[in-house]
Amino acid sequence: DAMVIQNPRYQVTQFGKPVTLSCSQTLNHNVMYWYQQKSSQAPKLLFHYYDKDFNNEADTPDNFQSRRPNTSFCFLDIRSPGLGDAAMYLCATSRDSDSYSYEQYFGPGTRLTVT
Amino acid sequence: GQQVMQIPQYQHVQEGEDFTTYCNSSTTLSNIQWYKQRPGGHPVFLIQLVKSGEVKKQKRLTFQFGEAKKNSSLHITATQTTDVGTYFCAGNEVTGGGNKLTFGTGTQLKVEL
Repeated sequence: DAMVIQNPRYQVTQFGKPVTLSCSQTLNHNVMYWYQQKSSQAPKLLFHYYDKDFNNEADTPDNFQSRRPNTSFCFLDIRSPGLGDAAMYLCATSRDSDSYSYEQYFGPGTRLTVT
Repeated sequence: GQQVMQIPQYQHVQEGEDFTTYCNSSTTLSNIQWYKQRPGGHPVFLIQLVKSGEVKKQKRLTFQFGEAKKNSSLHITATQTTDVGTYFCAGNEVTGGGNKLTFGTGTQLKVEL
């Protein structure tokens, strides 16, 4: 089945130690998104890619970076994790369009713990 | 920036009772999407509403989009335990090539037997 895969499902890192979360998709969608979701809160968009074009949200901290080496894969790098970065990180994909909006397909998420 | 609020924040119902969550945006929306997130799960798309005043039904779920395209609602008739989860509306901004979702604050539904 076509899907969005995130690895690992659970990640523990130390305060200040760089960490990378990965996302892959078999849907062949041009658009990929990264969201941060803290406990009992709504998902918050960090950035998204339209193909290779990177679109950062204005309030996304510089500590968060992303890479998309090809259509299938996207990575979230947290350069110096702080305790406040502990959250669920959700990857999503969608078809691309200039005018119509399509549903987003979410991966299962990676739960990040910072010690 | 765009803000999307939902009420209530929590709702506990007995199985068989109806449930409604209301979504209000600070700005006019081009369209709105609804997602359901089960406990420990990820958001799953339910529906998209595009037209002013639009009403769509999915079995026991009824979705409405306000005439002014600034509010929306989801009504579940005769809730079941499988309806448990958090329901999010999401305001949609179509960008060049993708669409940016601004999620509402969510309504967590618990259904008791």
